Amino acid sequence: ETGVTQSPTHLIKTRGQQVTLRCSSQSGHNTVSWYQQALGQGPQFIFQYYREEENGRGNFPPRFSGLQFPNYSSELNVNALELDDSALYLCASSLGGGPYGYTFGSGTRLTVV
Amino acid sequence: SQQGEEDPQALSIQEGENATMNCSYKTSINNLQWYRQNSGRGLVHLILIRSNEREKHSGRLRVTLDTSKKSSSLLITASRAADTASYFCATVLTYNTDKLIFGTGTRLQVFP
Repeated sequence: ETGVTQSPTHLIKTRGQQVTLRCSSQSGHNTVSWYQQALGQGPQFIFQYYREEENGRGNFPPRFSGLQFPNYSSELNVNALELDDSALYLCASSLGGGPYGYTFGSGTRLTVV
Repeated sequence: SQQGEEDPQALSIQEGENATMNCSYKTSINNLQWYRQNSGRGLVHLILIRSNEREKHSGRLRVTLDTSKKSSSLLITASRAADTASYFCATVLTYNTDKLIFGTGTRLQVFP
């Protein structure tokens, strides 16, 4: 049984560019959530996908968008990057929503310059 | 916004000692979970305690939950250098179960 895999591990982008981060969920998990973690802070919920539909969204602007595919893998897209978008982006999968524990990936470290 | 706050923010102990971290939250919860994070990488799920439970054990970990005080504690017994990490509590709200709301974390340093 594989865990959650995220790619790429590190990424450097220029302000104003667009970025796509990818996540493969743990086998058997149908729910994927994305979190942003700024340095020294706890992770902040971006959104969750369940069976290819957005199932909840945190306080992030529309330039943060996502997709979930039939195999339950997911993408996080961020348009018009800002310096404050520099953070660790974490993907987590689960079976169903919140009443269960989540399996997190190792994250993608995004630096916007 | 952060629902949970953890105390202390940082904790340094010697190997073999016990480490206790506390978490307080504000709103009614479905469950509370503890996670460990090594060096800013991915989070590892440690333990989940439901709102109708008061105590759970997993190996050297003991978690308590007091819903009347809206607080939880994580006890790591007989700490090892490998326990050095940041520890986060995360709540799942009763009426909004689609997300984890994380606290600010406790940085634990265990010296050999």
